[in-house]
Amino acid sequence: DIQMTQSPSSLSASVGDRVTFTCRASQSITSYLNWYQQKPGKAPKLLLYAASSLQSGVPSRFSGSGSGTDFTLTISSLQPEDFATYYCQQSYSTPQTFGQGTKVEIK
Amino acid sequence: QLQLQESGPGLVKPSETLSLTCTVSGGSISSSSYFWDWIRQPPGKGLEWIGSIHYSGTTYYNPSLKSRVTISVDTSKNQFSLKLSSVTAADTAVYYCARRRGIPAAPFDYWGQGTLVTVSS
Repeated sequence: DIQMTQSPSSLSASVGDRVTFTCRASQSITSYLNWYQQKPGKAPKLLLYAASSLQSGVPSRFSGSGSGTDFTLTISSLQPEDFATYYCQQSYSTPQTFGQGTKVEIK
Repeated sequence: QLQLQESGPGLVKPSETLSLTCTVSGGSISSSSYFWDWIRQPPGKGLEWIGSIHYSGTTYYNPSLKSRVTISVDTSKNQFSLKLSSVTAADTAVYYCARRRGIPAAPFDYWGQGTLVTVSS
């Protein structure tokens, strides 16, 4: 199985901050990397797919980059509704696997 | 708007079989364009893909669970189902059903709200 490692596991930030976190795959997954946002008690929501493509309806402050093994998710200006846990997921090979998540908390 | 809704018992005894159903509304499960998946999340932990099914009956399972998992589809009811046998406390989790397009590397674009299943005597 491909292992996905996210860092940091949590971070504290303020509204308006630019935040970036990373996801690393244990082997190359080309650009088959997806990002999800999960709020407490809710299902994950797809934000970006294929590393950098924004899912319909997702605000443009979210962006993604990377290929191969290293990927980043950036929120250009953190909004109150963005405090959540973010998961990366590789869809390169079966079984699809997820990172352990990065929790974004209010500073 | 596509909606997925999980249903089934919230409490299962150890060694028994967990059974859940996902009802799809606002779209047809018989579309050749999609796969229908099960994903779970133990309390306070990360996400684990369980397996998927196409309306044709083609299935894919996570090797770590394959010996205990069966996913089936009922096109007449627009539903698909999960059975997980010989459960233990480690199978306690929120179980989600989800959809992904039937193309290589597609993400999970629609999710159910999830249902908590607790394994306890």
